[in-house]
Amino acid sequence: AQKITQTQPGMFVQEKEAVTLDCTYDTSDQSYGLFWYKQPSSGEMIFLIYQGSYDEQNATEGRYSLNFQKARKSANLVISASQLGDSAMYFCAMSPDQTGANNLFFGTGTRLTVIP
Amino acid sequence: DVKVTQSSRYLVKRTGEKVFLECVQDMDHENMFWYRQDPGLGLRLIYFSYDVKMKEKGDIPEGYSVSREKKERFSLILESASTNQTSMYLCASRYRGRIPEAFFGQGTRLTVV
Repeated sequence: AQKITQTQPGMFVQEKEAVTLDCTYDTSDQSYGLFWYKQPSSGEMIFLIYQGSYDEQNATEGRYSLNFQKARKSANLVISASQLGDSAMYFCAMSPDQTGANNLFFGTGTRLTVIP
Repeated sequence: DVKVTQSSRYLVKRTGEKVFLECVQDMDHENMFWYRQDPGLGLRLIYFSYDVKMKEKGDIPEGYSVSREKKERFSLILESASTNQTSMYLCASRYRGRIPEAFFGQGTRLTVV
């Protein structure tokens, strides 16, 4: 069975600083995908970044990067140069495939607060 | 633009009522999902559907059923609403592609009184 663990219920970061949100996962599958989503107070889920298990390079999307350490089964999200608009819930998720055929399993989330 | 639309943003229903939550996607996705979100528990899968009239139970299907008569529409049904079903409900759809992310609706906050 797949499991996603986010051990930081809440995090604070100073504006313009970088922050790392932790995510570990457990799976016996060889092929899987890892996702990060942002959920602002308005409630919508915004896709941020994706990493496939066979991708050798860490994924990056603008200020977001995914620090993928396969042997440790970790997929931490790094946000550089934090902005006030980054304050939100962040969810790590995993799918036991890289094709879109299956469910996404979510962690419990980390609430990030950016301090001016 | 990709769109997943849930019929209601907020709903208040009485205990014992039959409740329908509707979700429509315009992306021709095969896979659609219903999640429930509660504080400290993240998103938990209730049901998902990988084709018309096909469904599979997720982690917490008790007290819920689903219907998918058309590809674009996936309905969640609370047969007899109870107060412990007060929650945020999120619908999502997913396609098969290079980056197969799920697209979410805006969520329905359901309160059962």
